Amino acid sequence: KAGVTQTPRYLIKTRGQQVTLSCSPISGHRSVSWYQQTPGQGLQFLFEYFSETQRNKGNFPGRFSGRQFSNSRSEMNVSTLELGDSALYLCASSLAQGMPSYEQYFGPGTRLTVT
Amino acid sequence: AQTVTQSQPEMSVQEAETVTLSCTYDTSESDYYLFWYKQPPSRQMILVIRQEAYKQQNATENRFSVNFQKAAKSFSLKISDSQLGDAAMYFCAYRSGEGATNKLIFGTGTLLAVQP
Repeated sequence: KAGVTQTPRYLIKTRGQQVTLSCSPISGHRSVSWYQQTPGQGLQFLFEYFSETQRNKGNFPGRFSGRQFSNSRSEMNVSTLELGDSALYLCASSLAQGMPSYEQYFGPGTRLTVT
Repeated sequence: AQTVTQSQPEMSVQEAETVTLSCTYDTSESDYYLFWYKQPPSRQMILVIRQEAYKQQNATENRFSVNFQKAAKSFSLKISDSQLGDAAMYFCAYRSGEGATNKLIFGTGTLLAVQP
């Protein structure tokens, strides 16, 4: 079974631009969560989706948004990029939401660099 | 709000030896789950071990075991017979058992080096 895939793997953008990152969960998984990883702030929860609905959101500005499609694929968008948005963005998928017996599987991440 | 603290930024262990990584957490919830995740240099995060707060027995997965002290809010990871492939960043994580959420709260991580 294929793992969680994230595209693109690497991205360089300029301040003020916007970016869209994609996450394809493991086949059959309906829950997708997003995290931002930086050396300074560590791993921080962005949001989670289940059945095309955002179920939970972290403490990030409104420039960060996301969505989930009917095939469970998810995208996150960051508008008006700032230098501080440079990070590794990880997504994780799981069969369902709120079931700890269902392991969360992480993707390889998208490395975003804002210049 | 829940917090997770890992006080050891870096640790080193000799191959075949045992090492213990520390983690403490703070919560007012009674239903929760604790995890240790491993992030090797390739960056793909993988689950090492999971502990349900309602279980008194410490979780064990092959060479990995935990020491879960609920009253002290402590959750340490013991790696026995360390191998070169164990070198990675290790994250302790908390997940609430209240409400339907997969949200993980991570500690700052411990970078483990394994010396041959």
